[in-house]
Amino acid sequence: DAGVIQSPRHEVTEMGQEVTLRCKPISGHNSLFWYRQTMMRGLELLIYFNNNVPIDDSGMPEDRFSAKMPNASFSTLKIQPSEPRDSAVYFCASSLAHRGPVGYTFGSGTRLTIV
Amino acid sequence: AQKVTQAQTEISVVEKEDVTLDCVYETRDTTYYLFWYKQPPSGELVFLIRRNSFDEQNEISGRYSWNFQKSTSSFNFTITASQVVDSAVYFCALSENYGGSQGNLIFGKGTKLSVKP
Repeated sequence: DAGVIQSPRHEVTEMGQEVTLRCKPISGHNSLFWYRQTMMRGLELLIYFNNNVPIDDSGMPEDRFSAKMPNASFSTLKIQPSEPRDSAVYFCASSLAHRGPVGYTFGSGTRLTIV
Repeated sequence: AQKVTQAQTEISVVEKEDVTLDCVYETRDTTYYLFWYKQPPSGELVFLIRRNSFDEQNEISGRYSWNFQKSTSSFNFTITASQVVDSAVYFCALSENYGGSQGNLIFGKGTKLSVKP
């Protein structure tokens, strides 16, 4: 199993530019989560999907952020326009939403720097 | 509202010492799941353990052990005979109950453990 795959691993972008982060969940997992990690706020949920449907997007900071899951094997998180305060590590995680033996599997994260 | 509190921000120990990381949680759900994750300096989040609210049996895995007590809403993590490779940030997390299955993970702020040789 390849695990949760995120791309890119690192991204440096100028303020105002559009940023797209990508995630491929583990095959067979039906829940997908986007988290953001900063020193100030720790790990916080941005949005999560169940069976490709957004369930809770209350953590999305503002309209500049959008997320899609067009199919079970792919999701994107887009920031447009980007701002320096968006600099963080963005994690994608997937899980099988029932009482399985394992927890959530996280990708390696995307370290985003907005300059 | 659900909440996870890790009161210890940083802990420093010398190799071979035992160390316990505290975790206290709040939830109104009767069915919930608790987790511990490790984040080494390389940055990835590594799953350590998952417990459901109906299973209060303590668990041991090598040098790691977990003590789950519903009466005090605590899920503490002990590393026995710590090693330098245990140095990392450790997160406790609570999974909301969504239709009887796992929902969002709510993380504590993390405890940074430094194990010195």
